[in-house]
Amino acid sequence: ETGVTQSPTHLIKTRGQQVTLRCSSQSGHNTVSWYQQALGQGPQFIFQYYREEENGRGNFPPRFSGLQFPNYSSELNVNALELDDSALYLCASSLVGLAANTQYFGPGTRLTVL
Amino acid sequence: DAKTTQPTSMDCAEGRAANLPCNHSTISGNEYVYWYRQIHSQGPQYIIHGLKNNETNEMASLIITEDRKSSTLILPHATLRDTAVYYCIVVNSGGSNYKLTFGKGTLLTVNP
Repeated sequence: ETGVTQSPTHLIKTRGQQVTLRCSSQSGHNTVSWYQQALGQGPQFIFQYYREEENGRGNFPPRFSGLQFPNYSSELNVNALELDDSALYLCASSLVGLAANTQYFGPGTRLTVL
Repeated sequence: DAKTTQPTSMDCAEGRAANLPCNHSTISGNEYVYWYRQIHSQGPQYIIHGLKNNETNEMASLIITEDRKSSTLILPHATLRDTAVYYCIVVNSGGSNYKLTFGKGTLLTVNP
């Protein structure tokens, strides 16, 4: 069974640029959630995708957007990058339909905005 | 989702049991207690979860009080590799839309 994978591992961008981060769900999972973790803080929920549609969103501006594909993989897109977007971006997959939808996390993508 | 309160940090000697407390006094009937841990700069790792009954798996045991207002995560024989930030999270099990709300967690340091 393959776990959650994310790419790339590290990324450096400059302010104003756009970035796309990718996530492959754990086998058999149908839901993907994205989190942002700033240095020294706990992860903060960005949004969740279920059946290829956004299914809940945290307190993040519209320049944070996402996609979920038929194979349940997902992308996180961030436009007009700001210095404060520098963080570890985490993807978590789960199987909706069970009483408790345990989320399993990938290793994360470290984004640095200069 | 109910909020949780955890100590900022704890120490434990290698080989001894680590008991990590969590208060969730406003938990409601359909909310689960989840525990995750995060080793520096890695993704959070799922440990265990429970609703009402005590739970045990290969990693840990979860003890939930009868009134469900608090719980304790027990690592029976802590090793140096268990040094991490441990997060106690209360999650609503209803529907397909749910998120994990992470607090600051407890930094557990296992000492040789």
